[in-house]
Amino acid sequence: GEDVEQSLFLSVREGDSSVINCTYTDSSSTYLYWYKQEPGAGLQLLTYIFSNMDMKQDQRLTVLLNKKDKHLSLRIADTQTGDSAIYFCAESISNNDMRFGAGTRLTVKP
Amino acid sequence: GAVVSQHPSWVICKSGTSVKIECRSLDFQATTMFWYRQFPKQSLMLMATSNEGSKATYEQGVEKDKFLINHASLTLSTLTVTSAHPEDSSFYICSAPNQGPEAFFGQGTRLTVV
Repeated sequence: GEDVEQSLFLSVREGDSSVINCTYTDSSSTYLYWYKQEPGAGLQLLTYIFSNMDMKQDQRLTVLLNKKDKHLSLRIADTQTGDSAIYFCAESISNNDMRFGAGTRLTVKP
Repeated sequence: GAVVSQHPSWVICKSGTSVKIECRSLDFQATTMFWYRQFPKQSLMLMATSNEGSKATYEQGVEKDKFLINHASLTLSTLTVTSAHPEDSSFYICSAPNQGPEAFFGQGTRLTVV
């Protein structure tokens, strides 16, 4: 079966960059996503990248996609305490099939 | 971005009763909506795909008679947990795609069955 895998925890200091990594197994993925979930809340779409792109940048967020290695990363520049949350990587093969990783809990220390 | 609203945000019910959760797309029409379940510290698991005007499609292992889905209009899907039991306690989240590749999520409903 296909899986999306992420490391479970990441801790950084305020002001540093955070890099959250994700691997997926389905090469037919069309879009890859990063979502943020704060405690007790739903998922907030941060960004997404089409599978034929290598990189996408949006303000403090940079997404890198290595399709050959099926590796996706999210870099948050100048990480703030408000960035503390769980970050989910997800892949979409069709509109009806979206698979999520287990989520990476990012802790930002002052 | 588009807004998806879920109601209620949390609910506590007694074993054996039924609970209805609503998912609304506020500023766009959604012919398809998705229902997920999330256990503590775990990822989202797709339960079913709600289709406006037709029957919902359930994932393997999800009891369709227990989790009733009705896509009443282009902006509303409901999930009814029938004869709820404590093991049904979970965080339920809906999402709706808005034409493009983005899927927007509701704020989730925490169900506690006592």
